[in-house]
Formats: sequence, structure tokens, C-alpha cells
Amino acid sequence: QVQLVQSGAEVKKPGASVKVSCRASGNLFNTYSLHWVRQAPGQSLQWMGWINAGNGNTHYSHHFQGRVTLTRDTAASTAYMELTSLRSEDTAVYYCASLYHDLLTGHQYYDIWGLGSLITVSS
Amino acid sequence: DIQMTQSPSSLSTSIGDRVTITCRASQSIGTSLNWYQQRPGKAPTLLICGAFTLQSGVPSRFSGSGSGTEFALTITNVQREDLATYYCQQAFTSPLTFGQGTRLEIK
Repeated sequence: QVQLVQSGAEVKKPGASVKVSCRASGNLFNTYSLHWVRQAPGQSLQWMGWINAGNGNTHYSHHFQGRVTLTRDTAASTAYMELTSLRSEDTAVYYCASLYHDLLTGHQYYDIWGLGSLITVSS
Repeated sequence: DIQMTQSPSSLSTSIGDRVTITCRASQSIGTSLNWYQQRPGKAPTLLICGAFTLQSGVPSRFSGSGSGTEFALTITNVQREDLATYYCQQAFTSPLTFGQGTRLEIK
């Protein structure tokens, strides 16, 4: 069973940047469409963007206005999410999730989630 | 972006009861609707995809229905382990947006 292993919790000051990693076990990393979703305390799930692990193509939520950058290192089977100009509202658990697309049915959904990385922004 | 609206935001029920959570999309999404369960302190897990297809391993007391803009998740014979927050997600178009969640409490 493939797992997504995320980096640990971090505390950052306002204005700083954070880079969260998401390593995929198994050997099919290049086939993944990896999405990043965050969840502020007591709030719902907010989509941030996705990266095609094979060709590196990315797509971002307009909500973050250029503050998010997704990258990947195929040799390390690892994807990264960098968020800049942090503010207190960015305090959240950040998840990576693999999007599965069933070619037979057309259904798509997040089938594998990382455990999440808690990022706290505080002065 | 497609807006997803869930109701109620919280629900208190007893073991053995039947509960229904509704989800409305701001535009038609066919049956491109997923339901996730998130237990306290854990990552979400998929319950239902395509509006009504139960994921392998999910108890049959969970069921989904609906199409277009109106959807429902029903849990019959609620069990203690169903204590969680439930989210709908539209998978029709990017971004794949979520509802605000429904917290299920067990009396």
C-alpha cells in the first residue's frame, strides 16, 4: 500500500516561508497527481494546488496569489509545497493527497492522504 | 469556483439512529461528488465516490444519493466509531472544492 510521508510540525514567524515535503513510498511516483490541501483549526478543507509528479506541471489556487510553489524531486519520490509571506491565518495542517482517476468510471477522488504537517505562524 | 454547501453543520444522534447529511452544489456537477470522513486528529478518508459508490471496506450502513446539485449521505444504525466530521467534495472541475463539513456527535 502506497503511503505519503510528510515532514514534521514547524513554527514560523510572520513574513517567513515554509517548505513542506511529501515523500511517496513505492515506485510509481511519476504516475501521481499530488494535491495540497490545508485545514485551519476548526475549519474545512481548502485546496491549494496540484503537481503532476511525472512532468512537473502545476496548477494553483488563485486564493494564494502567487505565494505557493509546488515542486518535486523524482529521484527522491518527494513533492514539496512552499508557502511564502506567512501570516497568522496560514496556521493550519497541510496535507498532501494523491488524486486517483478511475478511467473506467471517470470518478476522481483523493485515495491516499499524508498524515498532515502542522504549520504554526506566530510571533 | 463551484461552491459546496452542507447542512446541518453539526448533528447530535444516538447509537442505532439514522442520519442524513445534505450537500448542495452551486452548479450542476452530475454525479461527480465524493464524501469523506475525518475522525478527530486524523486525515480524511474516502467513503463514497461518484455520489453513491461505496469504497471498499466502508460499512454498508453508509450510503450516498443524488445528482445534479443535490446530494445526501445517509448513515443507518449509527455506531460510536462514526463520531467524525463529514465532508462532501465536488470532483467535476478544478479546483475540487469541499463543503464546510458536518460534525456528527454521539449522545
